Amino acid sequence: EIVLTQSPGTLSLSPGERATLSCRASQSFSRFYLAWYQQKPGQAPRLLIYGASSRATGIPDRFSGSGSGTDFTLTISRLEPEDFAVYYCQQYGSSPPYTFGQGTKLEIK
Amino acid sequence: QVQLVESGGGVVQPGRSLRLSCAASGFIFRSHSLHWVRQAPGKGLEWVAITSYDDNDKSYADSVKGRFTISRDNSRNTLYLQMNGLTPEDTALYYCARGMMATLMADYWGQGTLVTVSS
Repeated sequence: EIVLTQSPGTLSLSPGERATLSCRASQSFSRFYLAWYQQKPGQAPRLLIYGASSRATGIPDRFSGSGSGTDFTLTISRLEPEDFAVYYCQQYGSSPPYTFGQGTKLEIK
Repeated sequence: QVQLVESGGGVVQPGRSLRLSCAASGFIFRSHSLHWVRQAPGKGLEWVAITSYDDNDKSYADSVKGRFTISRDNSRNTLYLQMNGLTPEDTALYYCARGMMATLMADYWGQGTLVTVSS
């Protein structure tokens, strides 16, 4: 089973700043199988990024993903008030289980 | 537009069974894999199970293997999760989600149905 570790656990930033979220895997897998989700309180998760760097439909271009192997990053270039939420990475590697990271909470400083 | 609506949650005693349903609309149901993902109160997301577009290939998280069964009815555009031998650790909001074609990533999610296992 691939374990995903996200860091930091909580990130405190101000609107307009740049956010960098990390997702590290216990073993290497194809970047094609890495996704990022955003979840706001009381809402279902929303797919942001798939294939490590492709934005899902309707996702603003201030969201970008990068990485390969065991290290992946979600970057939000300029934070908008609506971006403060919890972010999860998930891997769909060669075989199940398709594990999630534990999440990074992005909060307003 | 794509819609996924879960139902069937509720309060159930430990050891009992429950069946969740997820009614889908707005897309070609039989063309997509489907997931169940759960979230315990105040906790993170946990992937539970997946079924292929034709229901022939299924996989489960170790935590539910042997107790939960995922299935689908492509004639009714409905996904199911049969949950047996429930324990308090199964208490969570259960989401169904559509898998993207070719990648399996969950691109659309329902709003979830709450399962509470308590005596």
